[in-house]
Amino acid sequence: QITLKESGPTLVKPTQTLTLTCTFSGFSLSTSGVGVGWIRQPPGKALEWLALIYWNDDKRYSPSLKSRLTITKDTSKNQVVLTMTNMDPVDTATYYCAPIHWNDCFDYWGQGTLVTVSS
Amino acid sequence: DIQMTQSPSSLSASVGDRVTITCRASQGIRNDLGWYQQKPGKAPKRLIYAASSLQSGVPSRFSGSGSGTEFTLTISSLQPEDFATYYCLQHNSYPLTFGPGTKVDIK
Repeated sequence: QITLKESGPTLVKPTQTLTLTCTFSGFSLSTSGVGVGWIRQPPGKALEWLALIYWNDDKRYSPSLKSRLTITKDTSKNQVVLTMTNMDPVDTATYYCAPIHWNDCFDYWGQGTLVTVSS
Repeated sequence: DIQMTQSPSSLSASVGDRVTITCRASQGIRNDLGWYQQKPGKAPKRLIYAASSLQSGVPSRFSGSGSGTEFTLTISSLQPEDFATYYCLQHNSYPLTFGPGTKVDIK
């Protein structure tokens, strides 16, 4: 059974750095073809893909946010961490993580975590 | 970047209606497309993968078709639990892109 859970602060101040952790079970980031991605959704708006990291440490980022994002993995802990610098109120959103296995993309999702950016 | 558009952006339908949602890609994406259903306050749930394959556990009233640049999600007989927002996702190339969504509500 595959499960994912996002964790991190619910409130951050403008200009601060956000660190989110995705803790998963039911698959391993040491398996060929496996990756974990982050997606966000501002309140009332559409889904937006942010970043992906693969078993071989290949990393992909949304071009519009690439300068602010860093994605890393801890295979032994079954965790993927996303950091986003210089947070702004427009970054207020629910942040989700989801797995990818070769070409099978985002079949399971975490419950999401709402992050509010406000002073 | 591949842009995804969806039509309509919203629709009102009755229980039992046949509903079709279209997703178009700005360039060919083979069949690297998924359809997701999202209800308020919940995470998206994948309904269709590889454009036309039904996700395990998803009712057979949902179906997907298309390849290349045009795709459709069809609900053959709308049920009360189907009122939600539907998104397509292309994963053919980076950046991965979602469609803007189609909200299906009660007529």
